[in-house]
Amino acid sequence: DTAVSQTPKYLVTQMGNDKSIKCEQNLGHDTMYWYKQDSKKFLKIMFSYNNKELIINETVPNRFSPKSPDKAHLNLHINSLELGDSAVYFCASRPTPGSTEAFFGQGTRLTVV
Amino acid sequence: DAKTTQPPSMDCAEGRAANLPCNHSTISGNEYVYWYRQIHSQGPQYIIHGLKNNETNEMASLIITEDRKSSTLILPHATLRDTAVYYCIALATNNAGNMLTFGGGTRLMVKP
Repeated sequence: DTAVSQTPKYLVTQMGNDKSIKCEQNLGHDTMYWYKQDSKKFLKIMFSYNNKELIINETVPNRFSPKSPDKAHLNLHINSLELGDSAVYFCASRPTPGSTEAFFGQGTRLTVV
Repeated sequence: DAKTTQPPSMDCAEGRAANLPCNHSTISGNEYVYWYRQIHSQGPQYIIHGLKNNETNEMASLIITEDRKSSTLILPHATLRDTAVYYCIALATNNAGNMLTFGGGTRLMVKP
């Protein structure tokens, strides 16, 4: 069973649309994250959640709205998609915020046309 | 968290040891050194971490200098599947708000 799973793996959509990416972890972890990896391959933290509560929002535009219905899920909803949103988005989890090892999903490649 | 500096790329022959350096001269006493790698089209994968002592696991060894200003990740017998971008991260683990911040990493190419 995949520890951190994201759906969909690929997403192609037009500018202005609203889309969601889902993330689920079956590890019983308290902490989940969203990262964005742009075309230059830099991985940047977007959000950090602990026990369904937002800890960190790294100055991400408010078009991005994470939602954590329970500890095992952290979904990313994006409104009014722009060309610059094209990237690979990774979900990750850790047992607690201070835990040593983080587990990453396989990524969702979002292409905005 | 302390900034880390890594060479942008390295080559290694298959079967030989790959030694990946990392400079973290401003590391503070409560910051660990973490190594992750990202194989093409996959999510980052944890490799190893350490504070002061050298560490070894089934994937790699981590050598940290006595002054903790630099470290080396060693893959003892590199295979083609070890071709990836390797990230060295300095991170304190006693802060609920902390998170992994990735730099440019080192692109390791293992060649036959």
